[in-house]
Amino acid sequence: DVQLVESGGGLVQPGGSLRLSCAAFEFTLNTYNMNWVRQAPGKGLEWVSYIGRSGDDQRYADSVKGRFTISRDTAKNSLYLQMNSLRDEDTAVYYCVREAAGFDPWGQGTLVTVSS
Amino acid sequence: EIVLTQSPATLSLSPGERAALSCRASQSVSSYLAWYQQKPGQAPRLLIYDVSNRATGIPARFSGSGSGTDFTLTIDSLEAEDFAVYYCHQRINWPLTFGQGTRLEVK
Repeated sequence: DVQLVESGGGLVQPGGSLRLSCAAFEFTLNTYNMNWVRQAPGKGLEWVSYIGRSGDDQRYADSVKGRFTISRDTAKNSLYLQMNSLRDEDTAVYYCVREAAGFDPWGQGTLVTVSS
Repeated sequence: EIVLTQSPATLSLSPGERAALSCRASQSVSSYLAWYQQKPGQAPRLLIYDVSNRATGIPARFSGSGSGTDFTLTIDSLEAEDFAVYYCHQRINWPLTFGQGTRLEVK
């Protein structure tokens, strides 16, 4: 089955860094546009970042621009989100999502908690 | 930024009834409008893409309609498993945005 599995979440202090990983199974990641979407506790969905099939086109929400970097490793068929200068408001479940005609599938999510 | 406004915030219905969920965009999103279902503790699931196309495995009781700035997700004859939160989403303009969600609850 086509599947995305995130990892790398955890508890980090404000100002700290974290790198999220997303492994893709049963499809080749660099043949699709990929995104990260997050959901703060009890809140709605917020798009975070995008990387195009070519890898050259990267986009960010204003709330993370300059602090987060999206990347991928074709050999490992994996997507990453490097998160620096983390803030309390970055606390959320982070989902890795494949984009075709819609966002599908979604990974199970990984929880990032920013707190002192 | 395109703002998606969903209404109502909460919809209370009984199994067997029909649900109509609205999503209004602050500017045209053409046909780049999708709907997602999210149950507690689960990741969202794609229901409808490009306004009216059901995703793989989605039952026929789910349908999408609309154009430009006004869209509707209709669920015919609600089943127990349909009570969840629903989000609309546009992917025509950066930043990509989601509506704030409609909670469909059992009356």
